[in-house]
Amino acid sequence: GIQVEQSPPDLILQEGANSTLRCNFSDSVNNLQWFHQNPWGQLINLFYIPSGTKQNGRLSATTVATERYSLLYISSSQTTDSGVYFCAACYNQGGKLIFGQGTELSVKP
Amino acid sequence: DGGITQSPKYLFRKEGQNVTLSCEQNLNHDAMYWYRQDPGQGLRLIYYSQIVNDFQKGDIAEGYSVSREKKESFPLTVTSAQKNPTAFYLCASSFSAEAFFGQGTRLTVV
Repeated sequence: GIQVEQSPPDLILQEGANSTLRCNFSDSVNNLQWFHQNPWGQLINLFYIPSGTKQNGRLSATTVATERYSLLYISSSQTTDSGVYFCAACYNQGGKLIFGQGTELSVKP
Repeated sequence: DGGITQSPKYLFRKEGQNVTLSCEQNLNHDAMYWYRQDPGQGLRLIYYSQIVNDFQKGDIAEGYSVSREKKESFPLTVTSAQKNPTAFYLCASSFSAEAFFGQGTRLTVV
């Protein structure tokens, strides 16, 4: 099955700093998503990005499907960016969506 | 409002009892999923369903059962055979591959 690996597992930043989170996946995928899990446990959709680049405010993501990785960029980080970031991938529409272990981000004021 | 509704938010049960977690969606999505999350861990797939009256086991299906009689509903039963049922359970649905999640149910077995 698909293996999804995220790095780094933990990241501590000072407010205002930039960061890059990485997601490697083991095979060609139909779907690649990034989520932010808030302190109450809810998963917030950040990007649906099986390939290419997207931007939403201070966040952007790039997936290079041929090289089997995706990157999430956070610029000018804020304390509210703290939490766990997950990437998830699946082979086919409606199929198994497999999660990485997450990157726990802590942004200090 | 469109979305995925999980209930209840918190659930306490005695050891040895079966318990059913509810997941309802009004997004007209075909696929639905159940995940389990333990503290400090990622999400692990329990069951998923791509269409009504059909479902497949995920990576940790033992001790769980599901049904998919209606497109909108995908209830999960945690049976007494599940050795460590205390966890955070998340339900999701998807259309055209993008998945959306409910707010989760925290199950505590005492």
